[in-house]
Amino acid sequence: EDKVVQSPLSLVVHEGDTVTLNCSYEVTNFRSLLWYKQEKKAPTFLFMLTSSGIEKKSGRLSSILDKKELFSILNITATQTGDSAVYLCAVEAHYGGSQGNLIFGKGTKLSVKP
Amino acid sequence: SQTIHQWPATLVQPVGSPLSLECTVEGTSNPNLYWYRQAAGRGLQLLFYSVGIGQISSEVPQNLSASRPQDRQFILSSKKLLLSDSGFYLCAWSVRRFNQPQHFGDGTRLSIL
Repeated sequence: EDKVVQSPLSLVVHEGDTVTLNCSYEVTNFRSLLWYKQEKKAPTFLFMLTSSGIEKKSGRLSSILDKKELFSILNITATQTGDSAVYLCAVEAHYGGSQGNLIFGKGTKLSVKP
Repeated sequence: SQTIHQWPATLVQPVGSPLSLECTVEGTSNPNLYWYRQAAGRGLQLLFYSVGIGQISSEVPQNLSASRPQDRQFILSSKKLLLSDSGFYLCAWSVRRFNQPQHFGDGTRLSIL
């Protein structure tokens, strides 16, 4: 059975700290791995990773994929209170066609204290 | 730019009542469309996806159904709601090409009494 496991489930840090969120997966027909940030409502897209070892970066956030060890990490440096959210990891499996079937982890709830 | 709209934002329904949630996408054509449910303490679960008008694929057996009457409209329905249908329902869309991210609407929080 396909599954995505995120750790830790929750994390409390102070502003300025650096955090690393983990995502491991067991998925057949792997196509890509995605990270989303969910505050109150809609998950917003952060990164899509398809190749091992290539870091994706956006401001203070970065992510990398290891397809051999089947995991990804999301790093946030110099955290701010606005980074408080649930971070979702999803793996896209394909079964033919262009549609992607996303399998989500339960998320990591990050709380950044001032 | 593309936008996705879902309504209503919240809904309280009695057990046994019908359901209709609507999702529309603007600014793109021929999108792939998806319905997810997020139950408390669980990850998002894919319920249905559609690659075109009238084309619906179901991922899990359930009390719900989906329809796509127009290219950019996706509807989630039930004839008789169960308590277990409570949750946060999210609609998403993606460009119909390989390796394109899905983008989510703001969701509908459904409570069944």
